[in-house]
Formats: sequence, C-alpha cells, structure tokens
Amino acid sequence: QSALTQPASVSGSPGQSITISCTGTSSDVGGYDYVSWYQQHPGKAPKLMIYDVSNRPSGVSNRFSGSKSGNTASLTLSGLQAEDEADYYCSSYTGSSTLVIFGGGTKLTVL
Amino acid sequence: QVQLVQSGAEVKKPGASVKVSCKVSGYTLTELSMHWVRQAPGKGLEWMGGFDPQDGETIYAQEFQGRITMTEDTSTDTAYMELSSLRSEDTAVYYCVTGPTVGYVNWFDPWGQGTLVTVSS
Repeated sequence: QSALTQPASVSGSPGQSITISCTGTSSDVGGYDYVSWYQQHPGKAPKLMIYDVSNRPSGVSNRFSGSKSGNTASLTLSGLQAEDEADYYCSSYTGSSTLVIFGGGTKLTVL
Repeated sequence: QVQLVQSGAEVKKPGASVKVSCKVSGYTLTELSMHWVRQAPGKGLEWMGGFDPQDGETIYAQEFQGRITMTEDTSTDTAYMELSSLRSEDTAVYYCVTGPTVGYVNWFDPWGQGTLVTVSS
C-alpha cells in the first residue's frame, strides 16, 4: 500500500491560514472517515491533532480543523502562530492487513 | 492519563535482532491497544503492527511479516517489539503508541518518546 500524498512544504505568515492536503485512494481516505493528523516538532514524538477527519482531542486548539472530500483530506490551521511550525502527517485506516498508512509529511514554516 | 516510557537507544549489526520495550503507566496494559510506528531519519511515519479491535488479534504490516514479533508482559505492564534480520534500512526511531480498544484503528495517542535503533556494521 502506497503512502498518502502530502505537499512537502507549506508556509504562511503569523495570523494567516494555511491548508495541508492529504490524497489517498478509495481504499483508504475515500473509503473511511478515519483520517487523523499529527503534529511533530523536531526531535519530539508526534502528537494527535485531529481524528475521524474533523474531531479534535481534548486540549487541541480550535485553530486546527479537518475536512475531507472524496479521496482527499485537508488540515486547516487558522491564525498561524510561531509555535505551529512543525511537520504534519496525515494517516488513514485502510481495512487491509496494513491497517494504517501515513502521508509523507508536510513541513510548515511560519514566516 | 496514559504514559509510555521506552527503552534506550540500541546499536546493532546487520543480521542481528533488537527488542524494544515500552513501559505503561496510568493504565494497565490490558486496558490498552498497543501499536508500533517507526520513522527513518528525515523520513515519514510507518505503521509496523498492533492490535486490531475488529479481529481481536495483533496484526503486522506486510512489509514486516516474518521479521517482527510484538509481545506483552501484563505483570509489569510492558509491551515489547522485536525485529529480526536487521538491515541498514531498519535504522529508525521506533515509537510505541496506543490506539482504540474498540472499533477501527483511527487514531494513535499518546506516543512513547521513541527509541533510536541504529543498524551498522
């Protein structure tokens, strides 16, 4: 199973909004509403930011939101802050023997 | 809340095996669904295997089948991941993570701090 496709990098200025896409197939992203997003700062473990396409775990800022259309999921960060600069990974349930696949990651730079 | 503390960094030679541990606190291991995810240097995340609530069994990603074994010691609330026949491409940070105990594997939270495994001759 191939990794989900994410842009290698995105950037934005403080206060702006950015969107990161995550494209899969009908066997993963398009087939289930089980897309999650993770934030990873350098040298740290990933942190769950969004699950089930658009749900935020307790404690995650409401500046983070998720959506999905067809085989593409998206993560939107509004009101960009310096602390948002990190790598972001999407993942999807697949229903196959490889239960979960991840995207290649997107580096967010806050200008 | 759940906390996961992993064993320290390892250096192994090609062909050897490595066993990484993950100590659980805050909950007992029997209350959790454990998975392992790895990340090669400068690369993305890769799911290796874990408990599938749909089947009630631990399953492994195709890429690792035959080389990976995940076990649990409920007396010490410690999970283990052993990877054999190591090659240089297995050099990575290995994370233990918890997932849902029912339904679909649709999230991982929290994550251990990671264990760097270096495979080098």
